Amino acid sequence: SAVISQKPSRDICQRGTSLTIQCQVDSQVTMMFWYRQQPGQSLTLIATANQGSEATYESGFVIDKFPISRPNLTFSTLTVSNMSPEDSSIYLCSVAGRTSGRSDTQYFGPGTRLTVL
Amino acid sequence: KQEVTQIPAALSVPEGENLVLNCSFTDSAIYNLQWFRQDPGKGLTSLLLIQSSQREQTSGRLNASLDKSSGRSTLYIAASQPGDSATYLCAVRLSGGYNKLIFGAGTRLAVHP
Repeated sequence: SAVISQKPSRDICQRGTSLTIQCQVDSQVTMMFWYRQQPGQSLTLIATANQGSEATYESGFVIDKFPISRPNLTFSTLTVSNMSPEDSSIYLCSVAGRTSGRSDTQYFGPGTRLTVL
Repeated sequence: KQEVTQIPAALSVPEGENLVLNCSFTDSAIYNLQWFRQDPGKGLTSLLLIQSSQREQTSGRLNASLDKSSGRSTLYIAASQPGDSATYLCAVRLSGGYNKLIFGAGTRLAVHP
């Protein structure tokens, strides 16, 4: 399976500040995604990170709040901007479409646990 | 709009029992269905993936079945162990070129010695 790392693993932030989360994969992948898991809830897709172009956002999520970068096939960042306590969640990076192995399977990183005070 | 439901929401069983976790989805036009395990405060581990053309997949003590026409999947866990305690999530990937996964709310499993 793909090995995915995320930084930071957790953070406690003040209201109004921004946090950038990094996702690194050990091999080139076609697709990279960012999900949010609010406390006690299941996962919701925020956006698909597209290499060399703007991310594709799901309904309810906007670029100004969650800017995403994907400079190459193994790395992506998600920024949570102007944070409020409602942004307290686990943010997970996911990948699919590896050049080897099972390309349909989606793999998930360990997540970043964000608490906003 | 695709909706995924998992039943039961929580399950507590003694070690050694065979278990069935249920997942249902409202739109049968899926590309595949994936079962994941999530340990508290951690990311997701992929357990099994079933393509829409398949009926079941097996890995060790786990067996997942898919009945696309009725919108159901089950995850069977044989001879449960305390180490199986986790939340189990099912997710469907839509057909038609979409890569988005739609997740159920999960089944929280506790296996006690």
